[in-house]
Amino acid sequence: GAGVSQSPSNKVTEKGKDVELRCDPISGHTALYWYRQRLGQGLEFLIYFQGNSAPDKSGLPSDRFSAERTGESVSTLTIQRTQQEDSAVYLCASSYPPGQGPREQYFGPGTRLTVT
Amino acid sequence: KNEVEQSPQNLTAQEGEFITINCSYSVGISALHWLQQHPGGGIVSLFMLSSGKKKHGRLIATINIQEKHSSLHITASHPRDSAVYICAAALTGTASKLTFGTGTRLQVTL
Repeated sequence: GAGVSQSPSNKVTEKGKDVELRCDPISGHTALYWYRQRLGQGLEFLIYFQGNSAPDKSGLPSDRFSAERTGESVSTLTIQRTQQEDSAVYLCASSYPPGQGPREQYFGPGTRLTVT
Repeated sequence: KNEVEQSPQNLTAQEGEFITINCSYSVGISALHWLQQHPGGGIVSLFMLSSGKKKHGRLIATINIQEKHSSLHITASHPRDSAVYICAAALTGTASKLTFGTGTRLQVTL
């Protein structure tokens, strides 16, 4: 079946502009995660959605970052007034609900954001 | 100090060698993930384990909960195994949110 998809694959934007990144999870995966990977650095957790529960936003680096999810499907990550330090690959992952414990996560190909 | 640490950071091996990548964590976890990131950037989940050992093909992952340590082994390494290997911990009480190690860059040469 189809995996996690993300769009766009690449985005170049000018400093100060807003950007919106999209993630389509695997059908049936109620859990959805956003991560960020800056050049030469490790992955960082941003936000986690699980079903209709309030999202875990503890990883969002500033109030310029926000994310929404429509039901148990598409999610969008919005970065307002982009800064050069926001340049990174933004990765989305999805999984079945945690249930009795964590689940394997399936990653999308990522969106490479460059802020000039 | 990072909650999840990996070693080595970089590893070069010749084809056929047995490879070990180590991961230590300093907090309680509910599961430990091993991920593979290819040069193009795509990430694939290799293993998720909370105890014991798992094997898939030439890959073996082990975890020692008491010692807070996990290892990823690659037997009969091949150039196509060249990638960055990342361990990630699902910390206890944080649902499935992952905390990542910095990764081990593996290069397998002919």
